[in-house]
Amino acid sequence: EDKVVQSPLSLVVHEGDTVTLNCSYEVTNFRSLLWYKQEKKAPTFLFMLTSSGIEKKSGRLSSILDKKELSSILNITATQTGDSAIYLCAVPPQTGANNLFFGTGTRLTVIP
Amino acid sequence: NAGVTQTPKFQVLKTGQSMTLQCAQDMNHNSMYWYRQDPGMGLRLIYYSASEGTTDKGEVPNGYNVSRLNKREFSLRLESAAPSQTSVYFCASRQGLGANEKLFFGSGTQLSVL
Repeated sequence: EDKVVQSPLSLVVHEGDTVTLNCSYEVTNFRSLLWYKQEKKAPTFLFMLTSSGIEKKSGRLSSILDKKELSSILNITATQTGDSAIYLCAVPPQTGANNLFFGTGTRLTVIP
Repeated sequence: NAGVTQTPKFQVLKTGQSMTLQCAQDMNHNSMYWYRQDPGMGLRLIYYSASEGTTDKGEVPNGYNVSRLNKREFSLRLESAAPSQTSVYFCASRQGLGANEKLFFGSGTQLSVL
């Protein structure tokens, strides 16, 4: 059965800290992995990863895929209160499946 | 810059009542989706429409029906609401079916069934 597991489930840090969020997956015929940020409302797209070992970066956020370990990490450096959100990881479950299979998310809280 | 628009934003129903959640996208996307989000469960697919005129069941379709009215609009109907359908509902769309196509989400509907 296809599975996406995120850890930790929740995390509380102070402004300026660096955090690492984890996503592991078990899917038939892996093709891509996507990260989304969900604040109060709609999830918004952060990164799409398809190749192992290549880092995607956007400002203080970066992500990398490890196909050998079937996992990805999302790093946030110098955290700010605006980074407080649920971070979701998702993968297409199987060839031809018209869907994204989501993990339960990591809730990040950044304290001033 | 409307993107994906959902209505209503909030709704309270009594058990057994019916309602329709509306969704429209202005990005000319072919595929549209309805998800529900519950604490500890993540986003789960209810129904999707790969293209105008087609709909398919997702992971949790029981108790719901959908209509792809045209390319822009995809509605979700609860015929007889149950407390188990209390959730946050998200509509989403994307251009095609490829694995590397990202989803664009609406702002959600918070539904409570009493």
